[in-house]
Amino acid sequence: SAVISQKPSRDICQRGTSLTIQCQVDSQVTMMFWYRQQPGQSLTLIATANQGSEATYESGFVIDKFPISRPNLTFSTLTVSNMSPEDSSIYLCSVLGTGKETQYFGPGTRLLVL
Amino acid sequence: KQEVTQIPAALSVPEGENLVLNCSFTDSAIYNLQWFRQDPGKGLTSLLLIQSSQREQTSGRLNASLDKSSGRSTLYIAASQPGDSATYLCAVRPSSASKIIFGSGTRLSIRP
Repeated sequence: SAVISQKPSRDICQRGTSLTIQCQVDSQVTMMFWYRQQPGQSLTLIATANQGSEATYESGFVIDKFPISRPNLTFSTLTVSNMSPEDSSIYLCSVLGTGKETQYFGPGTRLLVL
Repeated sequence: KQEVTQIPAALSVPEGENLVLNCSFTDSAIYNLQWFRQDPGKGLTSLLLIQSSQREQTSGRLNASLDKSSGRSTLYIAASQPGDSATYLCAVRPSSASKIIFGSGTRLSIRP
């Protein structure tokens, strides 16, 4: 299994500002992902974080709005830039286990934008 | 395009009952299927993973089955408890290299 921690666990931010979310995994993993869960909705994949190269974004998500870093195999950050109230969501980091079978999720970062 | 559906969206049962949550998918060519639990405002906890070659997996009071030919999976919860109250999500991985696709979840409430 993989144990994932995220910081911060929650935050309240003003519109127009940016927030960086950190994700730390207790073991080296090849695949790391960032998801968004808007209130009352299921999860939407934002991007796959690639170690040493630019992230791969899903349709509807762009690097300028959600820059992602992945400097090594255990750590990644997601920045939510120039925030608006529509960005209020839970942001979740996720990894594929070493056997690339089971997907694990972090505890999430609950973001409220005023 | 693979689509995953969970019905009902919400379910409320009295404590002690056995219950079944349903998940259906449109394309039977899957790599695996995973059931998750999510408590309000929290992350996802992996409950069970079923490989495409398997018919079921069990963990404690939970049993998940998979019928690829009919595009269905069920999560059986025995002797339900108030602590089982959460949203249950199923997710399908179409191939080993592809991303998982989530259903919209079933919000379960167990009444004491």
